[in-house]
Amino acid sequence: DAKTTQPPSMDCAEGRAANLPCNHSTISGNEYVYWYRQIHSQGPQYIIHGLKNNETNEMASLIITEDRKSSTLILPHATLRDTAVYYCIVRVAGGGADGLTFGKGTHLIIQP
Amino acid sequence: GAGVSQTPSNKVTEKGKYVELRCDPISGHTALYWYRQSLGQGPEFLIYFQGTGAADDSGLPNDRFFAVRPEGSVSTLKIQRTERGDSAVYLCASRAGTGAYNEQFFGPGTRLTVL
Repeated sequence: DAKTTQPPSMDCAEGRAANLPCNHSTISGNEYVYWYRQIHSQGPQYIIHGLKNNETNEMASLIITEDRKSSTLILPHATLRDTAVYYCIVRVAGGGADGLTFGKGTHLIIQP
Repeated sequence: GAGVSQTPSNKVTEKGKYVELRCDPISGHTALYWYRQSLGQGPEFLIYFQGTGAADDSGLPNDRFFAVRPEGSVSTLKIQRTERGDSAVYLCASRAGTGAYNEQFFGPGTRLTVL
C-alpha cells in the first residue's frame, strides 16, 4: 500500500469547517483513499473512502485532487466531539481482506 | 446492535507470564482482525481471520504470539512469556463478508501492562 503523509496536529474552532490534508504521491491507480478516526480511549472508527471522485456522507466530505496525489477530509461544522486522531490510509481495491496500515495520523483539536 | 467487545479492558501482568485477550466480534461478521497500538503510534496489524482460519498472520511479531478462532466467532489472542515491550493496547476489529468496501468495526481495546 502507498505511504501517506499527514501533519501531526491541527487546531480548529468549534463550528468551523475542519480541513485535514493527506499526501499520497505514490498512490497507484487501483488504490483507494480511506479515512478513520480514533477518539481518545476508543478503537478507530471508519469515516469515508473514495477513489477519484469527491465523496460525501453524513460524517464528512472527501476531496481528492485530480492527480490523486493528495486529498482533504472536511468536517463541515466541527464540534468538540470531533477531537480525535484522524488517519488517512491508502489501500488496494479488493484489498478488503488485508489489515489496515495506519500511520501516526493527525491529532485534530477542536477549540471551544 | 452490539458492537465489538473485548475483555478484559485492562490487564496487568508480570514479565514472563502468559496472558489471553478475548474478542467478541459483531454477530455474523466472518472477518476478524487483531491490532496492537503502542503509545503515540497508530494501530499495527497483527493477524486476520476469515472464519476459523488465520488468512494472514504476517503481523505477529514472534512465536510468543498466537491467536485462535475455533468456532469462527470469538477469538483469543495469546501471549506467552510476556515482555515489557508487549505493553500496548490490543485492538480487535470485525468485518462483514469479503466485500472490498466493507468497513472494519473496532472494539475499545484491551490495555496490557507488563511489569
